[in-house]
Amino acid sequence: GAVVSQHPSRVICKSGTSVKIECRSLDFQATTMFWYRQFPKQSLMLMATSNEGSKATYEQGVEKDKFLINHASLTLSTLTVTSAHPEDSSFYICSARQGYNSPLHFGNGTRLTVT
Amino acid sequence: QKEVEQDPGPLSVPEGAIVSLNCTYSNSAFQYFMWYRQYSRKGPELLMYTYSSGNKEDGRFTAQVDKSSKYISLFIRDSQPSDSATYLCAMSDFNKFYFGSGTKLNVKP
Repeated sequence: GAVVSQHPSRVICKSGTSVKIECRSLDFQATTMFWYRQFPKQSLMLMATSNEGSKATYEQGVEKDKFLINHASLTLSTLTVTSAHPEDSSFYICSARQGYNSPLHFGNGTRLTVT
Repeated sequence: QKEVEQDPGPLSVPEGAIVSLNCTYSNSAFQYFMWYRQYSRKGPELLMYTYSSGNKEDGRFTAQVDKSSKYISLFIRDSQPSDSATYLCAMSDFNKFYFGSGTKLNVKP
């Protein structure tokens, strides 16, 4: 149980284009979803927290106009990287939890390369 | 001072060894504790989850929490080459999750 599906697993795009990453909880309803970014050989960096039907809460230093998060339902959240630049190339991972005292379950990540 | 401290390793052991991974933390508001395993280019996979002091066992894995010392451990018995991965500790105060930097483990056949 507690499966989180993330798509695509890998995407290459040209500078200036936008990319959408989808995160779905397949067998549970996720009250909260979290989006992380991970640089090589580093730990997870929280970008934003989203609750279904509410605006996402962004961490300090994360541009909300660049990283658009939509939590449309209890099983789906999307991250759109707008006007991507090479410095946005990274590994993006979503996670979800069922309740406030539940652990996080992670998707398998999306490797974004901006050329 | 970081909220969660974890030795980054790398830790290299022979197959069959007992592995001990540890994290310390400073915030007494942390209520529950997790261990994740992350293979290269994959998302973290939940291994253990507990919210009380003491031990919790699941197969070859044992998680230990000592809230009085603010110290958690993960023990892996009879380690296998397939256990080679980065292990992340995590803890939560119900609102946010705090992760260690990860310990890279290599189990040599």
